[in-house]
Order: sequence, then structure tokens, then C-alpha cells
Amino acid sequence: AQKVTQAQTEISVVEKEDVTLDCVYETRDTTYYLFWYKQPPSGELVFLIRRNSFDEQNEISGRYSWNFQKSTSSFNFTITASQVVDSAVYFCALSDAALTTSGTYKYIFGTGTRLKVLA
Amino acid sequence: DARVTQTPRHKVTEMGQEVTMRCQPILGHNTVFWYRQTMMQGLELLAYFRNRAPLDDSGMPKDRFSAEMPDATLATLKIQPSEPRDSAVYFCASGTTGVGNQPQHFGDGTRLSIL
Repeated sequence: AQKVTQAQTEISVVEKEDVTLDCVYETRDTTYYLFWYKQPPSGELVFLIRRNSFDEQNEISGRYSWNFQKSTSSFNFTITASQVVDSAVYFCALSDAALTTSGTYKYIFGTGTRLKVLA
Repeated sequence: DARVTQTPRHKVTEMGQEVTMRCQPILGHNTVFWYRQTMMQGLELLAYFRNRAPLDDSGMPKDRFSAEMPDATLATLKIQPSEPRDSAVYFCASGTTGVGNQPQHFGDGTRLSIL
């Protein structure tokens, strides 16, 4: 069965520190997709990144970077030089063929990691 | 930027009342998902649609919840009768099918409180 584990419930860092949020997933499919979403205190869910299982290149977007390692079934998210505005709950999600009906993919979400960035 | 629009943003009502939550998906998106978020259960998928047809509503309590898409621009989630345990944030998300599993885009949610 599919599973997404975000073992870090809450992390606190001081502004400008780097922080890595862990995501470990389980799936039997060879084709799958991984996602990260951000939920700031205002409550909306904001899409950050999608990665498919055939693309193991790491990605960098400004201060954000993602490390995808199939060997360890991990898709970790690093924020460099954190800022107070990064304070949010971050969710990792998985979707695969077994979660698909008529071409529509369901997601399995992790329980989220609450990041607090202190000024 | 195109956004998923949910109304109302907040709803407080008494137990036993009917609650209707609405969602306008992003124009051109053909899939719609309803989620419920609570502290205890996290994000739970309630139901989802493709091209307005329900694909799976197994996550919903059938006796009191119903989800519909009267047209391509409107999805509704109804609770009747409502109970205090339904208090949660309800999210709608939309996306597209096809190659590549495009990401779901979420609305701002409806924060529901049942007294």
C-alpha cells in the first residue's frame, strides 16, 4: 500500500538558517509522482513542486531545493537561508497508478511538518 | 493567476442544519477533488469527479454527505444534517487528466464550525 511519512512533526529554526524537511514514501509502482505543498497560517494550500519517478534530477528554485533519491525512497525539501515568511506547514504527497481511476490520480498526503522560523 | 474559488470561507451553524459548500474550479480543469482537514485526521479525500462524473466518494459518510457537479463551473458538497464532528476545513482542488499527472490546485478552503 502507498504511504507517505513525514517524521518531523515540528521544526523550529532561527532566521537565515538552512532547514531540511524529510519525506519518505512507499509505493510498488515504477511510475509515480511526488509533490510538495505549503500551507501558510492563512490556511490555503499552495503547490510547490511535482516530480515524476523517472526524473531524479534535483531541483532548485530560489531558496528552495528538492532532493529526490529513489534508492532511499525519499524526496526531501531544503530551504536555504530561511525567512519568517517560510513559516508554514509543509505537506509531501504521492500519487501512482494504483491510485488512479480513469486517468485521474488521487494523492496520499503525509501528515505535514510545521516549520517555525524565528526572527 | 487562475484560482479555485470556494464559498463561503467561513460557516458557523447549529447542529442539524444543512450546510452547502461551493467550489468553482479553474477554467479548463476537468477534475475536482473534495478534501477535509482536521487536526486528528489530517487531509482526507472525500470525493472526486472527472468531467463532472463522480469517480469515487468512498471517503464520504454516505448518510449525511453528498457531492455533485451541476455544471463544469460548480461543484457542491452538502452535509445534511450536520453534526459537531463535521467541524473542519473543507478544501476543493481542481486539476486536469492526461499524461503527466498535473498537480491539483487548491482553493482557500471553507472553515466549518458546527455548534
